[in-house]
Amino acid sequence: DTAVSQTPKYLVTQMGNDKSIKCEQNLGHDTMYWYKQDSKKFLKIMFSYNNKELIINETVPNRFSPKSPDKAHLNLHINSLELGDSAVYFCASSPLENTEAFFGQGTRLTVV
Amino acid sequence: AQTVTQSQPEMSVQEAETVTLSCTYDTSESDYYLFWYKQPPSRQMILVIRQEAYKQQNATENRFSVNFQKAAKSFSLKISDSQLGDAAMYFCAYRSFGGSEKLVFGKGTKLTVNP
Repeated sequence: DTAVSQTPKYLVTQMGNDKSIKCEQNLGHDTMYWYKQDSKKFLKIMFSYNNKELIINETVPNRFSPKSPDKAHLNLHINSLELGDSAVYFCASSPLENTEAFFGQGTRLTVV
Repeated sequence: AQTVTQSQPEMSVQEAETVTLSCTYDTSESDYYLFWYKQPPSRQMILVIRQEAYKQQNATENRFSVNFQKAAKSFSLKISDSQLGDAAMYFCAYRSFGGSEKLVFGKGTKLTVNP
């Protein structure tokens, strides 16, 4: 009964490629997020969606495009991958009542 | 903008001993939430403990407790009777009160537990 699941867990790809990471939550939460964890373990918000509507977009390059087909899914598409995009990407969700965020297991993206 | 500072990049503790991880934050808001998350080598982000700013009582969860000092903007985590499984990165996080708010994280503290 995975609450927040991301696929794939690992992704190795070449520079210039386009890739997607999928996220699904079965918690019935209204809000979903993408966070990026860099090589120094620093976690930073990228996007948040509330019931399919974009709420937060934190100075992320246009090559990153989130898509939310419904409130249980938030996918991240990345165009023209660069070496600096190598990181762990976490999907998370939370209810509107402002409890903690529940995280997926992360996707380690390696661009070579 | 809110900021979270964890001044201890690394800490170590002997098994069964007690350790305290520090966290300070900066905000002009009066209502907010504070969290400690644990990230073991498996990479999974696990909630350890949560504190609502309007509550004066410090939160506790089994061996984990916090010392929340609102005026000083301090939120430290105490781990009692440390176990080998407590070894992980620990992140302090701040969240504003309101719908769909993001988490703002500190840079983390790597905790090593020595047998």
